[in-house]
Amino acid sequence: GIQVEQSPPDLILQEGANSTLRCNFSDSVNNLQWFHQNPWGQLINLFYIPSGTKQNGRLSATTVATERYSLLYISSSQTTDSGVYFCAVERSWYGNKLVFGAGTILRVKS
Amino acid sequence: DTGVSQDPRHKITKRGQNVTFRCDPISEHNRLYWYRQTLGQGPEFLTYFQNEAQLEKSRLLSDRFSAERPKGSFSTLEIQRTEQGDSAMYLCASSLEQAQNEQYFGPGTRLTVT
Repeated sequence: GIQVEQSPPDLILQEGANSTLRCNFSDSVNNLQWFHQNPWGQLINLFYIPSGTKQNGRLSATTVATERYSLLYISSSQTTDSGVYFCAVERSWYGNKLVFGAGTILRVKS
Repeated sequence: DTGVSQDPRHKITKRGQNVTFRCDPISEHNRLYWYRQTLGQGPEFLTYFQNEAQLEKSRLLSDRFSAERPKGSFSTLEIQRTEQGDSAMYLCASSLEQAQNEQYFGPGTRLTVT
């Protein structure tokens, strides 16, 4: 099946700093989603981005499908950005399911 | 527009008991998925339905697990003879096949088997 690797596994930032999270995947994909998991376990959709670039406020994401990676940028981080960020991909050849990476744990300190 | 809902949010049960979880997807979504997440890991796929048909099951889904979506709306996930290794967060997601298949997740049911 498809493999998804996220880096870094842990990240500690001072409030106001910027960060880049990376997701590498082992095969071409039909779907790529970024999620933020809050402390209560809820997965919140950030981006649906199988290719190209999108922005939403302080967050933006870029997927370079031909090189099999995606980046999530967080600018001017806030303490509420803390949590776990997951990248998940879907390739129809392997069935219509998301395969998740192990996540990046982000801690933003005030 | 209500999101995906799951019930119960928390369940504590003794080893050997049966438990059933319910998921209500976003109303017009025809695909429904179950995932399991253990501490420190990303969610792992268990099974998915397109309308009422169960189209794929993971090898993680042992014979003790069964899922249904009888009318193509809500779904139930039953675990029989629970084991301590079943302790996890069970997540439900739904998507609309015609809309890029972007998946939206419910709040999860946290199962603790004592």
